[in-house]
Amino acid sequence: DAKTTQPPSMDCAEGRAANLPCNHSTISGNEYVYWYRQIHSQGPQYIIHGLKNNETNEMASLIITEDRKSSTLILPHATLRDTAVYYCIVRGSNFGNEKLTFGTGTRLTIIP
Amino acid sequence: EPEVTQTPSHQVTQMGQEVILRCVPISNHLYFYWYRQILGQKVEFLVSFYNNEISEKSEIFDDQFSVERPDGSNFTLKIRSTKLEDSAMYFCASVGIVVRILSYEQYFGPGTRLTVT
Repeated sequence: DAKTTQPPSMDCAEGRAANLPCNHSTISGNEYVYWYRQIHSQGPQYIIHGLKNNETNEMASLIITEDRKSSTLILPHATLRDTAVYYCIVRGSNFGNEKLTFGTGTRLTIIP
Repeated sequence: EPEVTQTPSHQVTQMGQEVILRCVPISNHLYFYWYRQILGQKVEFLVSFYNNEISEKSEIFDDQFSVERPDGSNFTLKIRSTKLEDSAMYFCASVGIVVRILSYEQYFGPGTRLTVT
């Protein structure tokens, strides 16, 4: 799996959009970009994933650059409950049977 | 919404003792995983399980570890002789119906905190 690089920490004001960047310059054509988050010591929580098109769901938006070497997770209206460690993970498309390799992620703090 | 459950939430054991961590994956899920996270460190993959056998295991998953799906609902992780360095949060995860072709999501449980003294 391709390696990812994320800033170790970020702050964002409550109510503003939180934009979390991720570099994955060695991503290959069949690898997806996944985002998970971990609130305190809870189990990681899936947020969103994408291959090459931008994606949006009820939690967030994912913007992937055209060359797929980087992406940005956007939390449109951050709340205090969004304070967590966010992980950008690149993984293949081996149906079902594929582990997640977590890095150190970005610790996002939402400021009241 | 269906969720993965784990018991106990906290287990304290003495070094050398056997422990069994239990997980109930989401019903109808097909793939099962164990991960662990030592305090302040990354979440690390331990083992994946599919069709009643181990699919992949990490270097951490040595002979002291074993997994089992004893019935249609439980998925267990056993550590035969615990060491101090086994102290960690252990997370179970499961994967189920593919939402879109070539993509899926892992659903994690809340974790079991294992403390070895």
